[in-house]
Amino acid sequence: AQKVTQAQTEISVVEKEDVTLDCVYETRDTTYYLFWYKQPPSGELVFLIRRNSFDEQNEISGRYSWNFQKSTSSFNFTITASQVVDSAVYFCALSEEEYGNKLVFGAGTILRVKS
Amino acid sequence: DVKVTQSSRYLVKRTGEKVFLECVQDMDHENMFWYRQDPGLGLRLIYFSYDVKMKEKGDIPEGYSVSREKKERFSLILESASTNQTSMYLCASSFRTIQETQYFGPGTRLLVL
Repeated sequence: AQKVTQAQTEISVVEKEDVTLDCVYETRDTTYYLFWYKQPPSGELVFLIRRNSFDEQNEISGRYSWNFQKSTSSFNFTITASQVVDSAVYFCALSEEEYGNKLVFGAGTILRVKS
Repeated sequence: DVKVTQSSRYLVKRTGEKVFLECVQDMDHENMFWYRQDPGLGLRLIYFSYDVKMKEKGDIPEGYSVSREKKERFSLILESASTNQTSMYLCASSFRTIQETQYFGPGTRLLVL
């Protein structure tokens, strides 16, 4: 079974729309970490956020916000007032204590923001 | 700022050739990783290393080997390149503990003809 599921393969929005990228994970560990990365057309993965399993507080950073819900095993990412520069592939990833520092990635969501 | 560099952005090789992909990090990270990225599959771990001369297989090690002779450098080797190894290869590094973030290089797009 896939440990990290990003069900949305591709999303297209118009600039200034809000958009939410879904991430559902699966683990039996009580200690784990969740990550979001952005991959712009240049190819390099850019780290966005890390969240540990004991911290369910939502986080906001500028136009970005993250909603972590252990009850539904989800770690969703919302971009408010999207911009063309937000166009990228976004990856959600999981690191479990049992497996050390290894990351398991979802398949990624392609976000296209049109002007 | 963390800096992870990869020796080439684009490579074209022929089937059967031996291919070396190099990765260098400048943050004194213990861990280094090699992933390949394919559409619809996300990133998959090929090999990783948690110390000099140490290596462990990831999820898809077949057809690959690695070398880590110095802490800052981690090489991925395709012993005999095949067309199904055409892919994007990404290197990453991190400190050792579980909660540490992995930082990625710019990637190498490899085409095997």
